[in-house]
Amino acid sequence: DVKVTQSSRYLVKRTGEKVFLECVQDMDHENMFWYRQDPGLGLRLIYFSYDVKMKEKGDIPEGYSVSREKKERFSLILESASTNQTSMYLCASSPNPGGAFFGQGTRLTVV
Amino acid sequence: AQSVTQPDIHITVSEGASLELRCNYSYGATPYLFWYVQSPGQGLQLLLKYFSGDTLVQGIKGFEAEFKRSQSSFNLRKPSVHWSDAAEYFCAVGADSNYQLIWGAGTKLIIKP
Repeated sequence: DVKVTQSSRYLVKRTGEKVFLECVQDMDHENMFWYRQDPGLGLRLIYFSYDVKMKEKGDIPEGYSVSREKKERFSLILESASTNQTSMYLCASSPNPGGAFFGQGTRLTVV
Repeated sequence: AQSVTQPDIHITVSEGASLELRCNYSYGATPYLFWYVQSPGQGLQLLLKYFSGDTLVQGIKGFEAEFKRSQSSFNLRKPSVHWSDAAEYFCAVGADSNYQLIWGAGTKLIIKP
């Protein structure tokens, strides 16, 4: 079975902290994505990567960065967490072509 | 600009009744089309997808969807819903060679007993 694993289901962090969200896929997919999901706003793309060490900004990259050192792992970094980054974060991977496979999500609360 | 519209924010259906969730898209070329389901607090699961060929596609959990090019629609249907179908449903369109997806805002399905 296809699997995308996010390192945490729930996280609580303090304002100003550097936060790492990790995502691992076991399907050898080239493409990986980070979304955030907020009520009434749907899914918004933060960053995506189509190859190791390659990254592209999505619709809302401000305040975030990403790292993809290995094909199976795509990390989202909040450089200095703020309360408006409290959200559900979803990682996905995708074959060429194909639909995306999602992890279970990380619900991040910044206090 | 490419876009996906799910005109219904909420839909309430009685258990056992039929269901149709609407999805309209705006896209210049032949799109890749997807429906996903999200149960509360969970990630998204792919229900079905359309790339080419037969315009009626079958998915998991008894769902089907029909691609109608003339109407730019890809509506999701199920003949008889179960209480376990209560969830949020998202339509998405494949955008370009990076295989990014453009997402609809979602439709929340509520099942009446």
